Amino acid sequence: DTAVSQTPKYLVTQMGNDKSIKCEQNLGHDTMYWYKQDSKKFLKIMFSYNNKELIINETVPNRFSPKSPDKAHLNLHINSLELGDSAVYFCASSQFFTAYSPLHFGNGTRLTVT
Amino acid sequence: TQLLEQSPQFLSIQEGENLTVYCNSSSVFSSLQWYRQEPGEGPVLLVTVVTGGEVKKLKRLTFQFGDARKDSSLHITAAQPGDTGLYLCAGASLGETSGSRLTFGEGTQLTVNP
Repeated sequence: DTAVSQTPKYLVTQMGNDKSIKCEQNLGHDTMYWYKQDSKKFLKIMFSYNNKELIINETVPNRFSPKSPDKAHLNLHINSLELGDSAVYFCASSQFFTAYSPLHFGNGTRLTVT
Repeated sequence: TQLLEQSPQFLSIQEGENLTVYCNSSSVFSSLQWYRQEPGEGPVLLVTVVTGGEVKKLKRLTFQFGDARKDSSLHITAAQPGDTGLYLCAGASLGETSGSRLTFGEGTQLTVNP
């Protein structure tokens, strides 16, 4: 039933570990994204994929690597986690890769690095 | 970097009151979206405004896009506790066709007390 689902909901890990977050959308959308929301609730784009092709790669440390096995899935792998990576990570999708196509967000993954 | 400033940052009112939230920028946007985010969930689209001067109504919510497409406002009439949430505006840069190039404001946290 869920349109955009991401797992896990919560992720607590220690510095230096590697972790992955998975995202799936059942809306048939062409475009998927990863956003990061910091403690001040500011949302910032990290990556965007359109039809499995990386379109946007903002200034993000290369410890972050997205992977899109198919149009419905976009995963995020993070190597060598740092304290500053603690945030809520949102997956989103849109029907088209245009400014007018609304974003459908998942419910977020709260990552806490200790 | 284009910035969207939202004001106020926090707003706490009583049920039945009216309120207005502002979203301002020095840049021109081709379109602007408003989202509401509730705790533990992802943002949900409320409306997209495209034309300068456009006014859209969604029940008790009225959205306006400034004539110069640099600012927007959200007015809520007779606020209810169910309106509580984080309201985010997001602008698509002029000339950008990518929806993922949305710039988000930092949000207005609204609390409506019964």
